[in-house]
Amino acid sequence: QKEVEQNSGPLSVPEGAIASLNCTYSDRVSQSFFWYRQYSGKSPELIMSIYSNGDKEDGRFTAQLNKASQYVSLLIRDSQPSDSATYLCAVTNSGGSNYKLTFGKGTLLTVNP
Amino acid sequence: NAGVTQTPKFQVLKTGQSMTLQCAQDMNHNSMYWYRQDPGMGLRLIYYSASEGTTDKGEVPNGYNVSRLNKREFSLRLESAAPSQTSVYFCASSGQGRYTEAFFGQGTRLTVV
Repeated sequence: QKEVEQNSGPLSVPEGAIASLNCTYSDRVSQSFFWYRQYSGKSPELIMSIYSNGDKEDGRFTAQLNKASQYVSLLIRDSQPSDSATYLCAVTNSGGSNYKLTFGKGTLLTVNP
Repeated sequence: NAGVTQTPKFQVLKTGQSMTLQCAQDMNHNSMYWYRQDPGMGLRLIYYSASEGTTDKGEVPNGYNVSRLNKREFSLRLESAAPSQTSVYFCASSGQGRYTEAFFGQGTRLTVV
């Protein structure tokens, strides 16, 4: 069973702090990694994608990938109350020529004013 | 600029009734997915379709059938609804290959009584 694991939280940080969200995956040949944000009652929206080892920065968001450790993380700098949401880690696995997207259970982040 | 469109947004069924959830995308994507989301369980893959004419089972396919009618449309059918199928259902689509992100519809909130 190919799994994606996240701490369910809730993770609570004060406004302006750095929020760190973590994800591990079990399939060593996983190829693509995504972070989605989901507000309560809404559908998931993509905020970051990362495909190779290292860091990828986009505004206040930084995704980090370590394939040897099978670990991917998301850092949110200068956290804002509007960042309060569930963050979903997703991994693409290949089944031959088909690519299947598997999600973790999500981490609930609360940013306190 | 519709993206992924799901219908209906809300539905209440009685146990044993059948229904079809519709999904259409206008992004010329090859891959389409059906997920269900339950509290504490994250997004679980029901079925996916890597291309027109192909479908594959995901993590929780029992009690569901799907049809990839054409490249744009991917429907999910519940033949005999059960209370355990009460959930929020999301359709998603992505392009071909491992580097393409998935985009989600607005979701269908289904209650089976």
